[in-house]
Amino acid sequence: GAGVSQSPSNKVTEKGKDVELRCDPISGHTALYWYRQSLGQGLEFLIYFQGNSAPDKSGLPSDRFSAERTGGSVSTLTIQRTQQEDSAVYLCASSLGSAGVNEQFFGPGTRLTVL
Amino acid sequence: AQTVTQSQPEMSVQEAETVTLSCTYDTSESNYYLFWYKQPPSRQMILVIRQEAYKQQNATENRFSVNFQKAAKSFSLKISDSQLGDTAMYFCAFTSGGGADGLTFGKGTHLIIQP
Repeated sequence: GAGVSQSPSNKVTEKGKDVELRCDPISGHTALYWYRQSLGQGLEFLIYFQGNSAPDKSGLPSDRFSAERTGGSVSTLTIQRTQQEDSAVYLCASSLGSAGVNEQFFGPGTRLTVL
Repeated sequence: AQTVTQSQPEMSVQEAETVTLSCTYDTSESNYYLFWYKQPPSRQMILVIRQEAYKQQNATENRFSVNFQKAAKSFSLKISDSQLGDTAMYFCAFTSGGGADGLTFGKGTHLIIQP
C-alpha cells in the first residue's frame, strides 16, 4: 500500500557519527522531495529528485549532507559527521510529477536526535 | 525568493465554531500554487486544500474553504463547524510549480479545538 514510508522512525546518534535516512515513495511517483522540520527553522525544503536526478542541490544545509535516488524509487539522505544542530524531523514526499500541479504525499518522517 | 507568513502561532476555539487561519505570501511569480497542510501529533502531513493562482474561484473541500486575495497576496483558511479531530498544526505553503522549487512553508498555526 500505500503511502510514502520512511525508516527509521526515530534515530538517536552521537555527534560525529554518520546516519542514513531512507524514503520509499509511492510506486510510480517520479518526483521525490526531502524536507527538514526543526523548532528553530520550521519546515525547509532540502532537495528534489525527478527520476534519479537532482537538478539543484543548493538547498542542502552543508556539504555533510548528500542524497541519492536509485531505480527511480528509494532515496537515501546521508548526513556525515552529525552535529547537534542536525537534530530535526526529516520528511520525505513524493508526487506523480512537479509540485503544484501534482499533490505531494508525505511520509511520517524520521526524528533524528544527535547527542 | 518566496516567503510565507503565518502570523498566528496558536489559536483556540470551541467545537462547532468557525475559525479562520491567516496566511500571506510574497512572490514575483505570476502563476503559482498555494496549499494548506494539516500536521497532527502523528507528524503525518495531510493536504487540506489547494488553490491555483490563475483560478479566481476560491477552493472548497467540505468544511474547509479558502479566501484567496491575489492582489493582497493573502490566502486564509476557514474551517466551519470545527471538530475535535481538527486539532493540529496547520501550515500554509507555496510553490511556483516548477518542481525543483519544492514547497515553501510558513511557520505554522497550532489550532486547538476545545470540547
